[in-house]
Amino acid sequence: KAGVTQTPRYLIKTRGQQVTLSCSPISGHRSVSWYQQTPGQGLQFLFEYFSETQRNKGNFPGRFSGRQFSNSRSEMNVSTLELGDSALYLCASSLAPSGRVGTDTQYFGPGTRLTVL
Amino acid sequence: AQTVTQSQPEMSVQEAETVTLSCTYDTSESDYYLFWYKQPPSRQMILVIRQEAYKQQNATENRFSVNFQKAAKSFSLKISDSQLGDAAMYFCAYRSYGNKLVFGAGTILRVKS
Repeated sequence: KAGVTQTPRYLIKTRGQQVTLSCSPISGHRSVSWYQQTPGQGLQFLFEYFSETQRNKGNFPGRFSGRQFSNSRSEMNVSTLELGDSALYLCASSLAPSGRVGTDTQYFGPGTRLTVL
Repeated sequence: AQTVTQSQPEMSVQEAETVTLSCTYDTSESDYYLFWYKQPPSRQMILVIRQEAYKQQNATENRFSVNFQKAAKSFSLKISDSQLGDAAMYFCAYRSYGNKLVFGAGTILRVKS
């Protein structure tokens, strides 16, 4: 079974631009979560989607948004990019959202490295 | 808010020997999950082991085992017979029902040949 895939793997943008990152979960997985990883802040939760609905949201400004499609694929968008948005963005999928015993273990994709100049 | 603390920024181990990585967490919940993830230089986050809080028996996965002390809120990872491929950043993570995954700051593990 194929793992979680993320596209693109690398991205360079300039301040003020916007960017869209894509995540395809493992086949059969319906829950997708997004995380931002930086050397200074570590791994921080962005949001979680299940059945096209946002279930949880982290403490990020409104410039960060996401959505999930009917096939469980997810996208996250960052508008008006800032230098501090440079990070590795990780997507993780699970069979079900948090709280479902044995089915909410998250499996991660390889990440998208975003550099904002 | 739940927090996860990994007090060892970096650890070293000789190949074939055993190393233990420490993790403590803070929560008022009684039911939750704990995880260890490994992130090698490729940056791909890989699940190493998982523990349900309601289970008293410590989880094991081949050379990896945990020491789960619920009362002490401690969740350490023991790696036996260390291999060069074990070199990576290791993250301890916590998740309660219905909530997000919370990660520790990570421990860099170096394996010496």
